[in-house]
Amino acid sequence: EVQLVQSGAEVKKPGESLKISCKGSGYSFSSYWIGWVRQMPGKGLEWMGIIYPGDSDTRYSPSFQGQVTISADKSISTAYLQWSSLKASDTAMYYCARHGVGAILTTWFDPWGQGTLVTVSS
Amino acid sequence: EIVLTQSPGTLSLSPGERATLSCRASQSVSSYLAWYQQKPGQAPRLLIYGASSRATGIPDRFSGSGSGTDFTLTISRLEPEDFAVYYCHQYDSSPRTFGQGTKVEIK
Repeated sequence: EVQLVQSGAEVKKPGESLKISCKGSGYSFSSYWIGWVRQMPGKGLEWMGIIYPGDSDTRYSPSFQGQVTISADKSISTAYLQWSSLKASDTAMYYCARHGVGAILTTWFDPWGQGTLVTVSS
Repeated sequence: EIVLTQSPGTLSLSPGERATLSCRASQSVSSYLAWYQQKPGQAPRLLIYGASSRATGIPDRFSGSGSGTDFTLTISRLEPEDFAVYYCHQYDSSPRTFGQGTKVEIK
């Protein structure tokens, strides 16, 4: 079974750094793009960016470029989303999701991780 | 950036009724459009990809149609478990984008 398991909820203060993770199993992790999607409280889905773990090729939405860093460690089948200095406005649920077809950019997301809730508050 | 506009924002229907959800793109996305269902406290789940192909395990009461800029998700007969929020998603061009969602609620 293809599965993405994300790290647990985080509570941080403004200005702190954070790295959350997404571990893939049941498939060839290196061969599928993985993306990150933000969902702010009570709001819709926002595409943040994607990474191809095989060669670490990364694409960002202009809205998130420079605000976060997406990375992956194919040796442990894990993708990451990282902030160097959190803001209160980063409070949201963050989902990782795999592309539906391996190595292809123009595909949908399936499956999705369970989500990681990040709360940033002083 | 391609903007996806979903309508209506909220659809109030009874179980057994037909639901018709719309997604309009600001420019053509060919057939590179997917639909997801999200229930409270859960991650989104893929329903439809390629505008009209049902994902594995999705009941045949869900169907998708359209191409270019106008797309429709139809639920032929609403079951109690279908009351949720539905999002469309274009994967034709970067950045990928989502619609703002349509909530299907019990009337």
